[in-house]
Amino acid sequence: DAGVIQSPRHEVTEMGQEVTLRCKPISGHNSLFWYRQTMMRGLELLIYFNNNVPIDDSGMPEDRFSAKMPNASFSTLKIQPSEPRDSAVYFCASSRLAGDTDTQYFGPGTRLTVL
Amino acid sequence: GDSVTQMEGPVTLSEEAFLTINCTYTATGYPSLFWYVQYPGEGLQLLLKATKADDKGSNKGFEATYRKETTSFHLEKGSVQVSDSAVYFCALNYGGSQGNLIFGKGTKLSVKP
Repeated sequence: DAGVIQSPRHEVTEMGQEVTLRCKPISGHNSLFWYRQTMMRGLELLIYFNNNVPIDDSGMPEDRFSAKMPNASFSTLKIQPSEPRDSAVYFCASSRLAGDTDTQYFGPGTRLTVL
Repeated sequence: GDSVTQMEGPVTLSEEAFLTINCTYTATGYPSLFWYVQYPGEGLQLLLKATKADDKGSNKGFEATYRKETTSFHLEKGSVQVSDSAVYFCALNYGGSQGNLIFGKGTKLSVKP
């Protein structure tokens, strides 16, 4: 059974460029989460979706960040324009439901470096 | 608001030593509690969880007990191995149909042979 798939695994870009991160959740999972991990701030939830609908985007740092989930098997996180402070590892996770006992399954992450 | 506090790392142990990583939480309700582990270069994976007071989660020799009276969920293992070297995250899910995880800052464990 395939886990959560993220692409690319590594991205290096220059300040001002658009960056798109991609995620394929586990089949049959109804909730999808985007996290950012940095040394300074640890793991932060950016946004999550239930049944393809964004539920809570209060963690999205600013308007430069946007996320979509056009169908149950695909989501994107876009940064436009990118800035050096966006450098981090971005994780996508999915769970069967978003209830308090549900386990989240994480992808391997995308390491983003903005020069 | 709800929060999780973990002991600062890094923690360095010799193989077969006893491990404790402390975790305490603040929550208004009765959250579920989790330990996730992140091996180098990988995403997080669930290690164990407990969903109500006095529950004990266990997996791969690790265990943690949900203590409501002390709001704690300390991770323990009786004999660590080099392969246990990783970063360990304590987390809570504050529940409801729209619950999501709040993570501690992580504790890095290094086990030396």
